[in-house]
Amino acid sequence: DVKVTQSSRYLVKRTGEKVFLECVQDMDHENMFWYRQDPGLGLRLIYFSYDVKMKEKGDIPEGYSVSREKKERFSLILESASTNQTSMYLCASSLPIEAGAIQYFGAGTRLSVL
Amino acid sequence: GIQVEQSPPDLILQEGANSTLRCNFSDSVNNLQWFHQNPWGQLINLFYIPSGTKQNGRLSATTVATERYSLLYISSSQTTDSGVYFCAVVFSGGYNKLIFGAGTRLAVHP
Repeated sequence: DVKVTQSSRYLVKRTGEKVFLECVQDMDHENMFWYRQDPGLGLRLIYFSYDVKMKEKGDIPEGYSVSREKKERFSLILESASTNQTSMYLCASSLPIEAGAIQYFGAGTRLSVL
Repeated sequence: GIQVEQSPPDLILQEGANSTLRCNFSDSVNNLQWFHQNPWGQLINLFYIPSGTKQNGRLSATTVATERYSLLYISSSQTTDSGVYFCAVVFSGGYNKLIFGAGTRLAVHP
């Protein structure tokens, strides 16, 4: 089975802190994604990566950056956390679209910024 | 604009009842997935179904790509089916970017 592991289920941080959310997949997938989910707004794509050291902005990249130094790991970075970044964060991975492209999701990280 | 619309937004069932959830999308797709989000937030893959029909136990799904809709059928519902069901698509030319619908919140009562 595909496994996508997010490092924390729950996280509480203070405004202004630098926050790292880590995601690891074990299926050698090229593509990795970060989404956030908010009530009434659904799931929205923050960033994605289609290869090591490659990244593309999604729909809501402001206030976030990402890092992909190894194929299996994709990190989401909040440079200076703010209260409006309190949300559920979901990581996903997939093969390239021509290979089927089913996206598999991790369990999510509920981040609270106080 | 590009849209994914799900209906109904909310559904309440008695255990044992059947239901149909619908997903309409506004353009041709390369990928369509149905997910169940459990109470802990985990998104569980139900079906990958850009076209055709698939069945998995009490669940089945049909996508009619030419008419731009997909249906998820739940038969003999159980309380463990409760949660939110999402349809998500990758539009042709959308480079594997999943666009999610707003979801259908299902509550199954004993």
